[in-house]
Amino acid sequence: DAGVTQSPTHLIKTRGQQVTLRCSPKSGHDTVSWYQQALGQGPQFIFQYYEEEERQRGNFPDRFSGHQFPNYSSELNVNALLLGDSALYLCASTGPEGTIYFGEGSWLTVV
Amino acid sequence: AQSVAQPEDQVNVAEGNPLTVKCTYSVSGNPYLFWYVQYPNRGLQFLLKYITGDNLVKGSYGFEAEFNKSQTSFHLKKPSALVSDSALYFCAVRAHGNFNKFYFGSGTKLNVKP
Repeated sequence: DAGVTQSPTHLIKTRGQQVTLRCSPKSGHDTVSWYQQALGQGPQFIFQYYEEEERQRGNFPDRFSGHQFPNYSSELNVNALLLGDSALYLCASTGPEGTIYFGEGSWLTVV
Repeated sequence: AQSVAQPEDQVNVAEGNPLTVKCTYSVSGNPYLFWYVQYPNRGLQFLLKYITGDNLVKGSYGFEAEFNKSQTSFHLKKPSALVSDSALYFCAVRAHGNFNKFYFGSGTKLNVKP
């Protein structure tokens, strides 16, 4: 049983560019959340997707957008990248008991 | 408003000694409380959770946590620390009915010395 999988694991982008991160949830999980973890901090909630719609959103600008596909996989898109967007981006899927399970994350460096 | 505080940036303990990592929370309504562990350059791994019932909950790798409603705390404990327990530990809270939006603390680095 595969856990939450994310790609790519590492990437480097230039300021102003756009990036797309991908996530496949744990088998049987239909809800996907995205978190940003800056260096030395705890994860911060970006948004959550359920039934292909954004259900809840954290305090992030509209440059951050997402999508969920019929197979429950999800993408996180960030436009007009800033240096401050450099972080570990974590995808999590929700189990039926309400626990969230994380992938290994995608390390984004903006230069 | 919902929040989590982990008052210690770092906890140092000798192998074989008991360990405690502290967490306090603020949430509207009944809290759902969680502990996660993060090893270097890895994602977060679920350790244990409190939803309801017994205030002492047991989790993975011999960890346990004690829920104290009056003190709004959820401290992580282990009777005998291992060097391999050295990692970053995060406490998290979500409110009942909040569609699984978790609030995380800033993390506590646990150093277990041989």
